[in-house]
Amino acid sequence: SAVISQKPSRDICQRGTSLTIQCQVDSQVTMMFWYRQQPGQSLTLIATANQGSEATYESGFVIDKFPISRPNLTFSTLTVSNMSPEDSSIYLCSAKRLTGRNTEAFFGQGTRLTVV
Amino acid sequence: EDQVTQSPEALRLQEGESSSLNCSYTVSGLRGLFWYRQDPGKGPEFLFTLYSAGEEKEKERLKATLTKKESFLHITAPKPEDSATYLCAVQEGSSNTGKLIFGQGTTLQVKP
Repeated sequence: SAVISQKPSRDICQRGTSLTIQCQVDSQVTMMFWYRQQPGQSLTLIATANQGSEATYESGFVIDKFPISRPNLTFSTLTVSNMSPEDSSIYLCSAKRLTGRNTEAFFGQGTRLTVV
Repeated sequence: EDQVTQSPEALRLQEGESSSLNCSYTVSGLRGLFWYRQDPGKGPEFLFTLYSAGEEKEKERLKATLTKKESFLHITAPKPEDSATYLCAVQEGSSNTGKLIFGQGTTLQVKP
């Protein structure tokens, strides 16, 4: 299985500031994604991180609020901008890899963000 | 609209008491159905991907099966360490984006 390193693992931030979360995968993967998981809830896709081009955002998420970079196949960042308490959540990086006919999709350990 | 529904929301079992978790889905063509285990404070751990009706996959005490409308995760003789939230997700076939749509999860508690 692919190993995904995500950092920071947690942070407490002041409202109005920004936080950048990093995601490093140990092997080349076809696709990378960013999800949000609010307490007691399931996962909601924020965007697909595209290598060398702008990310593809889901409905309700915009680039100005969640800028994403993916400079190469194994690294991506998500920035949560101009934070408010409503942004408090767990942010998860995911990577998908094709192995023959099989598709495997892995997750990092998540970044627990608290905005005060 | 693509939809994934998991049941029950919560399940309590005694150690050794086998049971099944359900994942019902509505998608316009299934490209893959994924099962994950998630422990508190951690990211989801990949378990299985199923692709077509009739397919089955096993890992230790877990066995996942797939029909055209639903998937089951069978847990045989569970142990307390199997306690976790189990998530089901689908990738619909018409999209090349690769994104997954998740269900709400089933929280399993296995008592010794």
